[in-house]
Amino acid sequence: KAGVTQTPRYLIKTRGQQVTLSCSPISGHRSVSWYQQTPGQGLQFLFEYFSETQRNKGNFPGRFSGRQFSNSRSEMNVSTLELGDSALYLCASSLGQGAAHEQFFGPGTRLTVL
Amino acid sequence: QQQVKQSPQSLIVQKGGISIINCAYENTAFDYFPWYQQFPGKGPALLIAIRPDVSEKKEGRFTISFNKSAKQFSLHIMDSQPGDSATYFCAAVPSGGYQKVTFGIGTKLQVIP
Repeated sequence: KAGVTQTPRYLIKTRGQQVTLSCSPISGHRSVSWYQQTPGQGLQFLFEYFSETQRNKGNFPGRFSGRQFSNSRSEMNVSTLELGDSALYLCASSLGQGAAHEQFFGPGTRLTVL
Repeated sequence: QQQVKQSPQSLIVQKGGISIINCAYENTAFDYFPWYQQFPGKGPALLIAIRPDVSEKKEGRFTISFNKSAKQFSLHIMDSQPGDSATYFCAAVPSGGYQKVTFGIGTKLQVIP
């Protein structure tokens, strides 16, 4: 069974631009969560989608948004990029919501904002 | 505000030695404590996890020790191998799921031959 895939793997943008990242969960998984990973802040929860609905959101500004499609694939969008948005963005999928379901992480998208 | 404090941030252990990583949490609403292992260029992968009704869980060379009263938990890697060299994250998940998961800052482990 294929793992979680994320595209693109690397991205370079300039301040003020917007970016869309894509995540394809493991087949059959309905929950997709997004995380931001930086050396200073570590891993931080962005949001979780389940059955095309955003179920939960972390403490990030409204510039960070996402959506989930009927096939459980998810996209994350960041508008008006800032230098501080440079990070590794990780997607994780699980069969369902809740800690009873193991999360499987993708390799991440490395975003660099210049 | 770091709700899960992880230490040390880096650790060098000789092959065959014991690697110990410690985490402490504040929020008593956490009820699931996973550890993740991350290799360069890869996403984190679940290594082992524990719930607070258990004081210890062992899987192969990896053991979690949990002290509910002290709100502390630790990962022990016995007979550490060079292939264990990675970054390890502890995490705390509240009842209800990953929406409020809090990760430790991470520990970069290097096992030298």
